Amino acid sequence: DILMTQSPSSVSASVGDSVTITCRASQGISGWLAWYQQKPGKAPRFLIYAASNLQSGVPSRFSGSGSGTDFTLTIISLQPEDFGTYYCQQANSFPITFGQGTRLEIK
Amino acid sequence: VQLLESGGGLVQPGGSLRLSCAASGFSFSIYSMTWVRQAPGKGLEWVSDIRGSGGRTYYADSVKGRFTISRDISKKTLYLQMNSLRAEDTAVYYCAKDRGDQGYWFDSWGQGTLVTVSS
Repeated sequence: DILMTQSPSSVSASVGDSVTITCRASQGISGWLAWYQQKPGKAPRFLIYAASNLQSGVPSRFSGSGSGTDFTLTIISLQPEDFGTYYCQQANSFPITFGQGTRLEIK
Repeated sequence: VQLLESGGGLVQPGGSLRLSCAASGFSFSIYSMTWVRQAPGKGLEWVSDIRGSGGRTYYADSVKGRFTISRDISKKTLYLQMNSLRAEDTAVYYCAKDRGDQGYWFDSWGQGTLVTVSS
């Protein structure tokens, strides 16, 4: 199975700041990576696919990059509604695996 | 797109439960569908997937041999039959729709249904 490891586990930032979350795969997955945002008590929201493609309707302050084993999710100009937990997911092969999540707190 | 899960509840260890996910707003027959669960206070765990083309199924090792994914295209409904339930199966179960391109990523999710396995 492909192990997905995110860092940091949690981060606190102020409105207007930029934040970067890292996701590392235990083996190469090319660009087969997705990012999701989840708020408490809600279903995950699909943000980015193929490592860097923004899903329709997702604000342009979100961006993704990376290939192979190392990936990043960057949020610039943080907004209050960006709080929540972010998950990466490898979309390369079954079993599908998620990172453990990064909790983003807005100061 | 709308996905509406149902069928969750309290069940004793060793018991069975069938989850349903009613789909609307897209061509259910051609899209792959998946189940993802989330134990209380924990992260997301992929459970099972059924491919839109051909209906091939996949399972996490933690549920293989106990859970069965299926779909009724005429009813536009996805199912997850869960047998021999264990306490560690306690979670919110989400159904999700594959985006429909080459990757296994999921662009629409239901609201989830809670399964509690306890005596």
